[in-house]
Amino acid sequence: EAGVAQSPRYKIIEKRQSVAFWCNPISGHATLYWYQQILGQGPKLLIQFQNNGVVDDSQLPKDRFSAERLKGVDSTLKIQPAKLEDSAVYLCASSLNSGSYNEQFFGPGTRLTVL
Amino acid sequence: DAKTTQPNSMESNEEEPVHLPCNHSTISGTDYIHWYRQLPSQGPEYVIHGLTSNVNNRMASLAIAEDRKSSTLILHRATLRDAAVYYCIPIYNNNDMRFGAGTRLTVKP
Repeated sequence: EAGVAQSPRYKIIEKRQSVAFWCNPISGHATLYWYQQILGQGPKLLIQFQNNGVVDDSQLPKDRFSAERLKGVDSTLKIQPAKLEDSAVYLCASSLNSGSYNEQFFGPGTRLTVL
Repeated sequence: DAKTTQPNSMESNEEEPVHLPCNHSTISGTDYIHWYRQLPSQGPEYVIHGLTSNVNNRMASLAIAEDRKSSTLILHRATLRDAAVYYCIPIYNNNDMRFGAGTRLTVKP
């Protein structure tokens, strides 16, 4: 079974530029998550989708971050414009469904460096 | 305010058991306790989860205290590939997973 796919794996941009990350979850998984992991810290949830609807985006900096999950499958996360403090690994995860008993499967992440 | 505490780091010798503790004193009766681990340069991976009873799977065992205010992840025979950051994640009020800093486990040959 294929895992969660993410691209690109690495990205280097200058501050104030825009960047987009792509995630393809495990087939059949209804719930998709985006996390931000700053070096030395645990992942922080940015947004959670159930199919193509947003369940929780309370920690998403909406002035610069946006995400969508068209057709309830793939998802993109965009940052516009990027700041130095956005340097982090962006992780995508998926689960069969929402609910606290569901195991989340994580992708390898995209490492973003903002110069 | 919900609070989870784990030691910042632990060391173990290869092929010896490892007990990773976690305190979650504000947990309620319906909050699941999940454990994930993150190997270097990888995304987190699920290890085990439980509610009240002790749980076993091929990776580890989870021992949950009777009052549920603490739990212990047990790796029965640590290998070098078990070196990782281990996250204890009680899911309070059926909300989303909130990762803390975790415990960095070093396994010595």
